[in-house]
Amino acid sequence: DAKTTQPPSMDCAEGRAANLPCNHSTISGNEYVYWYRQIHSQGPQYIIHGLKNNETNEMASLIITEDRKSSTLILPHATLRDTAVYYCIVRVVTESYKLSFGAGTTVTVRA
Amino acid sequence: DVKVTQSSRYLVKRTGEKVFLECVQDMDHENMFWYRQDPGLGLRLIYFSYDVKMKEKGDIPEGYSVSREKKERFSLILESASTNQTSMYLCASSSLNGVNTGELFFGEGSRLTVL
Repeated sequence: DAKTTQPPSMDCAEGRAANLPCNHSTISGNEYVYWYRQIHSQGPQYIIHGLKNNETNEMASLIITEDRKSSTLILPHATLRDTAVYYCIVRVVTESYKLSFGAGTTVTVRA
Repeated sequence: DVKVTQSSRYLVKRTGEKVFLECVQDMDHENMFWYRQDPGLGLRLIYFSYDVKMKEKGDIPEGYSVSREKKERFSLILESASTNQTSMYLCASSSLNGVNTGELFFGEGSRLTVL
């Protein structure tokens, strides 16, 4: 599995966009990028996933670079409830359930 | 909304005890999973089930067993609890398509302490 690198922490102002980077320079052609988050004392929550095209849903947008070696998760209007640890994972789609979280990025949204 | 409910948020057990962790989902999902989450080790898959009475080993099945007698319920069993099984246990479920999209729905977790 391709490894991912994320910054350990970042702050964001409430109401502003939060841009979370993830490096996955060894990603294979059949591996997808998945994002999950985990709010303190809760189970992880699926956010979004993508292969090579940019993706958007009601929670976030995912921007994947053309060479697929990095991606950015965008929370368009961060709220205090978005404070969480965000995990970027790379997996083949048939094993997407075999989640293996690293340290992730601790995002703190400040009023 | 999908709801995955784990029976206990916090448990304290003694070494050698048999421990049952129960998980129920209300969305008629085919797939259910048990993970454990430990600081520095991240999330690891213990067992999963893609149908009633079916089970598959994950990455760390040793010391655990599972039971899925009904579609909505998936139980994790520690036959003889040991201190190294102190952890946060997370149950998840997904639809058939959800396995391929990575859209797993998690419960709130059960924090088990084995003394």
